[in-house]
This record gives sequence, structure tokens and C-alpha cells, in this order.
Amino acid sequence: DADVTQTPRNRITKTGKRIMLECSQTKGHDRMYWYRQDPGLGLRLIYYSFDVKDINKGEISDGYSVSRQAQAKFSLSLESAIPNQTALYFCATSDAGTGGTDTQYFGPGTRLTVL
Amino acid sequence: GQQVMQIPQYQHVQEGEDFTTYCNSSTTLSNIQWYKQRPGGHPVFLIQLVKSGEVKKQKRLTFQFGEAKKNSSLHITATQTTDVGTYFCAGWGAQKLVFGQGTRLTINP
Repeated sequence: DADVTQTPRNRITKTGKRIMLECSQTKGHDRMYWYRQDPGLGLRLIYYSFDVKDINKGEISDGYSVSRQAQAKFSLSLESAIPNQTALYFCATSDAGTGGTDTQYFGPGTRLTVL
Repeated sequence: GQQVMQIPQYQHVQEGEDFTTYCNSSTTLSNIQWYKQRPGGHPVFLIQLVKSGEVKKQKRLTFQFGEAKKNSSLHITATQTTDVGTYFCAGWGAQKLVFGQGTRLTINP
């Protein structure tokens, strides 16, 4: 969805390096998410934020940190990258909707390789 | 914590054959969503089911939500090459969506 952008789209880095992945959205949604996709494991939630002052850990937050700089921006950091963090990373947004539908709108993804 | 299991992990069919993927949750769900991810793309929302026993159709796709709201299925009738991709179910619980592992569908034209 063009309303959710991620930078960079591809990144190759070395073990121990600090990496930041950025996500921006123009959908006006309050809720933003970071997911990780690995083959056969589906989409696993790393962190999520329901508004600028709200940050929550997902199921696999170890080794990651996030910053919600504004309603439209949510960045994911790997403080010291390791090879098993090689994966496809997706940012997503949602609004609560009536009845809490929370339909997820995904960005195009960032393919990260840690050597 | 809540788990959402999806089977099969892979399915290869001949074009024109039907396809079904199944989703099972360890807990009762308030709703279930389905997403499709084309090869090289990102997941895209298909549909949401909310009511017990609900059935919804989108052209050749039929979505069902179980009576106990713990399972769901997606059935595609007469697959076409445009159906290729990975289909994910996602159950809403504990303030966030939990995704199944996905079913990757490949089609022999």
C-alpha cells in the first residue's frame, strides 16, 4: 500500500552493527506495528504502538527496540545485529475501527541480511 | 499465549482444482481476518469474519468462521494462476492480531 512506506527496502549489514528501519504512513492511523516474516513461521509481531505515547512489546521483542517519533513515523532498531535477525520486516498500520476491526495495512517490506 | 495454527503449510494444485486452507486457534476469537501475500509482495487484507458460523463469499473465494469461533477456513473454487500466493489467517486477541503460519499456494497452469 503506497500509504505506508518503508526505508530502506533492502539492507545488507554485518554482525554487531546498529541498524534502523524506518516506517512512515499517510493514512492518519494511530496504530503502528512491526512484524518479522521468516519462511514457514508466518508474521510475528515485534513491537506495536497504539499512539505516540504508547509502546508495547510483541512476541519476539528481544534484540529490537522502537521509537514512535510522531503519529506518522515508527522506527525499528537492531542495536547489535546478529545473523538470525536476517528476515523480511514489515511495518503495518491500523485504526481501531468500530468494534476494533484493526485491519492491517502493510508497507512493502524491508529485506535485511546480517552477515 | 494465544496460538493460531494454519494448515497445510504448502499446497500445489493444477489450475482449475479447488483449494482449501484451515485455521485453528487455541482460544475463542472475537473475529478472524484473512490476508493474501503475492510472491515478492506484502500481505493484503481480504476479509474479516465476526459472527459465529459466518460465511462470506468473494467471487470464487468462500470464507467460513466456525460455530465456536475457534476455527476458520478459506476455500477457492476452480483456482486460477492469479490465486498464487500465501494466505494468512489472523485472530484478534489480547489487543493484537496473531497470524497463522500461512499456506503457500502454487498452481500448475
